[in-house]
Amino acid sequence: AQKITQTQPGMFVQEKEAVTLDCTYDTSDPSYGLFWYKQPSSGEMIFLIYQGSYDQQNATEGRYSLNFQKARKSANLVISASQLGDSAMYFCAMRGNSNTGNQFYFGTGTSLTVIP
Amino acid sequence: GAVVSQHPSRVICKSGTSVKIECRSLDFQATTMFWYRQFPKQSLMLMATSNEGSKATYEQGVEKDKFLINHASLTLSTLTVTSAHPEDSSFYICSASLRNQPQHFGDGTRLSIL
Repeated sequence: AQKITQTQPGMFVQEKEAVTLDCTYDTSDPSYGLFWYKQPSSGEMIFLIYQGSYDQQNATEGRYSLNFQKARKSANLVISASQLGDSAMYFCAMRGNSNTGNQFYFGTGTSLTVIP
Repeated sequence: GAVVSQHPSRVICKSGTSVKIECRSLDFQATTMFWYRQFPKQSLMLMATSNEGSKATYEQGVEKDKFLINHASLTLSTLTVTSAHPEDSSFYICSASLRNQPQHFGDGTRLSIL
């Protein structure tokens, strides 16, 4: 069974500093996708970054990068140069395979607060 | 990028009312849409997977007769909360995706049953 674990319920970071949000996963599928979403207080889910299990390089999208360590089954999100607008809930997710209807499995989330 | 529209964004109604929530993929055809429920400060809980032209697949513990899902076209799925009660108050959010692509979410619907 697929499982996503986020062990940090809350994180604080000083504005302009970098922060790492942890995510570990468990799957027996050889092919899978890992995603990070941001959910501000308004509720919408905003896609941030994607990492495929066969991707050789770590994914990067602007200030977001994904530290993918396949052997450790971890996919940590790194946010560089934090901004006040980064304060939100962050969810790590894994996409299942076609046998599971390509559904997503979400972690419990990390609440990030950026301090001025 | 892909856009998913969810309507309404907020509903306040009396107990016993049925509420319909629409989820539309605006610029792509989504063969699969997902419906989630989220309680305050918790993660998204998958309720059901909606496939165009077929019956929805419900997760264990989700009442099919309570939460009716219809996926009439490749761009529209609806969730109807039948005879809603205060315990059904929650944040409901839909998503749509193409195979091997990220799920794109609607903005969610805050349902409050008085």
